[in-house]
Amino acid sequence: EAEVAQSPRYKITEKSQAVAFWCDPISGHATLYWYRQILGQGPELLVQFQDESVVDDSQLPKDRFSAERLKGVDSTLKIQPAELGDSAMYLCASSPGALGTEAFFGQGTRLTVV
Amino acid sequence: GENVEQHPSTLSVQEGDSAVIKCTYSDSASNYFPWYKQELGKGPQLIIDIRSNVGEKKDQRIAVTLNKTAKHFSLHITETQPEDSAVYFCAARGSSNTGKLIFGQGTTLQVKP
Repeated sequence: EAEVAQSPRYKITEKSQAVAFWCDPISGHATLYWYRQILGQGPELLVQFQDESVVDDSQLPKDRFSAERLKGVDSTLKIQPAELGDSAMYLCASSPGALGTEAFFGQGTRLTVV
Repeated sequence: GENVEQHPSTLSVQEGDSAVIKCTYSDSASNYFPWYKQELGKGPQLIIDIRSNVGEKKDQRIAVTLNKTAKHFSLHITETQPEDSAVYFCAARGSSNTGKLIFGQGTTLQVKP
């Protein structure tokens, strides 16, 4: 069964350091999402790609977060510098359609900033 | 802005009983409503979804109902089993043309054997 792959599964980093997460969506899925999930809450969208283009990054803290999907396949989310409040689960999801019908999530990256 | 409210936040039932989780949404243009199950340390897993042109959908022990007039939708799990224990999230796709999903706060379901 096709899955969204994410790495690493866990990451501990010190405050002010840079950190990066990687996502490989289900093959053929044009839409890719990065969500952040704070413990005890629902996921919140950070950025959405349609192929290689950003279609929604309204909730992305652009002073420290960046995301790219250069070839319209896999994607990287970067935080620099990391802050204590960035500790959360970072989830990647993908959808087959242009308007994002079913969204399938990866296992996530659990980030702890110390 | 767009908002999804989910209740209850926690739910405890005996094995074999039914469980119901309810969500309300604010954007009347929302047209797609998925439900996700999230186990500890894992990503959300899509378990069932419903579109705005349908009032009810069922898949074995799981069913979802949608009331567009009242802007609420519900997840029904019958004959609950211990392996149903998890956090359940509802979501709604808003009126933007990007397909963005707005999630509820989650319901922790505990099924006692």
